[in-house]
Amino acid sequence: GENVEQHPSTLSVQEGDSAVIKCTYSDSASNYFPWYKQELGKRPQLIIDIRSNVGEKKDQRIAVTLNKTAKHFSLHITETQPEDSAVYFCAAAYGFQKLVFGTGTRLLVSP
Amino acid sequence: DAGVIQSPRHEVTEMGQEVTLRCKPISGHDYLFWYRQTMMRGLELLIYFNNNVPIDDSGMPEDRFSAKMPNASFSTLKIQPSEPRDSAVYFCASRATGLAGVVEQFFGPGTRLTVL
Repeated sequence: GENVEQHPSTLSVQEGDSAVIKCTYSDSASNYFPWYKQELGKRPQLIIDIRSNVGEKKDQRIAVTLNKTAKHFSLHITETQPEDSAVYFCAAAYGFQKLVFGTGTRLLVSP
Repeated sequence: DAGVIQSPRHEVTEMGQEVTLRCKPISGHDYLFWYRQTMMRGLELLIYFNNNVPIDDSGMPEDRFSAKMPNASFSTLKIQPSEPRDSAVYFCASRATGLAGVVEQFFGPGTRLTVL
């Protein structure tokens, strides 16, 4: 089955800096890669996703890149703000149903 | 839309008791998912339904866990008997079949279960 590894487990940056979170997956058949943000005590919420027919996708300060050959994908957050502080999860799936999540990255943005 | 609704939000029970968690998906969504989140194991998919039919229950940890979806607007996850290691946050999520290319799974607020 699919296995997703996520690094780093914690990431501390200064406000305005960029943050990068990386994930690798094992199943070459996986074709859907969402990223979820979870604030303390809250539900996971989708922030961006990418499909295997696309190499990069951007949404304002957030971007995701996918390297199918290497089976890894990354989340990039530019101009970080304190409200970006949360736990971020990557996931992978074949189809859009059976999401396998990474272990999460705790991002702390200091003012 | 109210989003995915889960009840109860918090449940504290004693080992050996039966626990029933409830979920109401977003109206019109035909997929429903049950997840469990713990510090040790992270977010795990337990089971998912499509049009009220269980499609994949390979994530259900053992026979003590069961899930049903009697209609399009209601699902339950039951644990009987409960054990302390079942303590976790249980999330329900739903999504619609590819409307305008949208495949997002929308999560409910979760049920925090504590088994003493």
